Amino acid sequence: GAVVSQHPSWVICKSGTSVKIECRSLDFQATTMFWYRQFPKQSLMLMATSNEGSKATYEQGVEKDKFLINHASLTLSTLTVTSAHPEDSSFYICSARGLAIQTQYFGPGTRLLVL
Amino acid sequence: EDQVTQSPEALRLQEGESSSLNCSYTVSGLRGLFWYRQDPGKGPEFLFTLYSAGEEKEKERLKATLTKKESFLHITAPKPEDSATYLCAVQAEETSGSRLTFGEGTQLTVNP
Repeated sequence: GAVVSQHPSWVICKSGTSVKIECRSLDFQATTMFWYRQFPKQSLMLMATSNEGSKATYEQGVEKDKFLINHASLTLSTLTVTSAHPEDSSFYICSARGLAIQTQYFGPGTRLLVL
Repeated sequence: EDQVTQSPEALRLQEGESSSLNCSYTVSGLRGLFWYRQDPGKGPEFLFTLYSAGEEKEKERLKATLTKKESFLHITAPKPEDSATYLCAVQAEETSGSRLTFGEGTQLTVNP
């Protein structure tokens, strides 16, 4: 149980384009979803927290207009990187937790390369 | 501010050589301490949740323990497939949105 999927696993795009990443909880209802960014040899950096049906809460220093998060249902959250630039290239990972469950379950991650 | 420090940063073991990874934490009231395993290019895989001092949990060759200041991940007779980065994270009681604070991880390599 507690499976989280992400799509796509890899994306390469040109500078200036927008990229959407999907995060789905496959076997449980995710009341809260989280989006992280991870640079090589570093730990996870939380970007934002989203609750189903509410606006996302962004961490300090994360541009909410650049990283659009939508959590429209209990099984799906999306992260859209708008007008991507090479410095946005990174490994993006989502996680999800259900109601009354403290554990976050992570997706497999999405590698974004902006040329 | 919640803080998590993991040591060592990297650890090389021979197959069968048991050892322990350390996670020291400072948090204003612990709601939970989590251990994850992360393989290169993949998302973290959940291993254990510990809630109170004295608690222990086991899974195959791994055993996690918790005190009021630190947690240990004991690896007994490791195999090469145990090679990965092990991440420790804490959730504070007063955390808004149930966010986790992660340590930098311990990169474990088990040689055959």
